[in-house]
Amino acid sequence: EAGVTQSPTHLIKTRGQQATLRCSPISGHTSVYWYQQALGLGLQFLLWYDEGEERNRGNFPPRFSGRQFPNYSSELNVNALELEDSALYLCASSTGRGGGEFYEQYFGPGTRLTVT
Amino acid sequence: GQQLNQSPQSMFIQEGEDVSMNCTSSSIFNTWLWYKQDPGEGPVLLIALYKAGELTSNGRLTAQFGITRKDSFLNISASIPSDVGIYFCAGIPTSGTYKYIFGTGTRLKVLA
Repeated sequence: EAGVTQSPTHLIKTRGQQATLRCSPISGHTSVYWYQQALGLGLQFLLWYDEGEERNRGNFPPRFSGRQFPNYSSELNVNALELEDSALYLCASSTGRGGGEFYEQYFGPGTRLTVT
Repeated sequence: GQQLNQSPQSMFIQEGEDVSMNCTSSSIFNTWLWYKQDPGEGPVLLIALYKAGELTSNGRLTAQFGITRKDSFLNISASIPSDVGIYFCAGIPTSGTYKYIFGTGTRLKVLA
């Protein structure tokens, strides 16, 4: 079974540009989560999508947005990039159904975004 | 953003030794998860805990959901070189709507 996949692996942008990151969840998973991990730090929750809808978002400005497609893949968009947006962006998926399984998030390898 | 207090921040141990790390919070949590992250990769789920007092093992790893629901512990027995990495705890507070909160991480280095 394929795991969570993310693209691109690396992305280099300049300040003020927009970045688009993509994620494909594990087959059968309907929930997708996005996290930001700055160098040497822990994971900060960004967004949660389930069944095509945004269910929750972390304490990030509106220029961080995204969407989930009918096939449950997801896209994270970061507008007006700032230097401090440089980080590893991780996508995770879970079953989206009730019970313990719902809480078990499985992560992709991440997209390393560098803003210069 | 909010983070869990995880300790120790880093540790060097000899191969074959046992390792203990913990995660604490001022809030009550419904669920605790433990992950391991290797450099340049995403975190890998090790153990999930759902009930206060629960003790769960995965090979040489054992994790416990604290009775107070404000802490969790991870033990690694007979460490080996491939245990090197960063271990994160993650939890879902009772007050949140599935907003996972991650610990600051414990960096483990194993000396052969």
